[in-house]
Amino acid sequence: DAGVIQSPRHEVTEMGQEVTLRCKPISGHNSLFWYRQTMMRGLELLIYFNNNVPIDDSGMPEDRFSAKMPNASFSTLKIQPSEPRDSAVYFCASRLYPGHQDYGYTFGSGTRLTVV
Amino acid sequence: GENVEQHPSTLSVQEGDSAVIKCTYSDSASNYFPWYKQELGKRPQLIIDIRSNVGEKKDQRIAVTLNKTAKHFSLHITETQPEDSAVYFCAASKSPGTASKLTFGTGTRLQVML
Repeated sequence: DAGVIQSPRHEVTEMGQEVTLRCKPISGHNSLFWYRQTMMRGLELLIYFNNNVPIDDSGMPEDRFSAKMPNASFSTLKIQPSEPRDSAVYFCASRLYPGHQDYGYTFGSGTRLTVV
Repeated sequence: GENVEQHPSTLSVQEGDSAVIKCTYSDSASNYFPWYKQELGKRPQLIIDIRSNVGEKKDQRIAVTLNKTAKHFSLHITETQPEDSAVYFCAASKSPGTASKLTFGTGTRLQVML
């Protein structure tokens, strides 16, 4: 299994531009999570999906952020317009829910976003 | 919602010594407690986890203990080695359930000195 695949690995964009981050969860996993990591705030949960349905988006900072999961093998996190304070590493993670003994997440390699 | 506090924020130990990282949680309904290790520039990776029906779990040099009454859990690393240097995160969740999301602590940067 290739694990959780995120793209791009690095993204540098100018303030005001639209940014789209992509994630492919592990095949068979039915929960998907988007986290943001910064030195100041640590790992923050932005949104998560169970069976492609958004369950909790209370961590999405503002309307500039949106996430979709059109099918079980793909999700996007979009920022429009981007701002310098959005600079962070964005991680996607997936797990099998419910009923599986292993509840641990598997994280992707992350996307390092820099907004200048 | 759940709140997880983690201490210390940084920890330096000599190679071969033990390291202990402690976490407390606020929601008494939480019943799953994993620990993640994140090396510099890498993804967080699950290293060990514990569920509320056990008090201790070991895996070679690492162990985790859980005190549900006090709502705290700890990671113990014995015979530390340079490759143990990383940031360690604790987390808690209610699982299974519709609210089964992990809440992470703020991380502990462990440095193992030669």
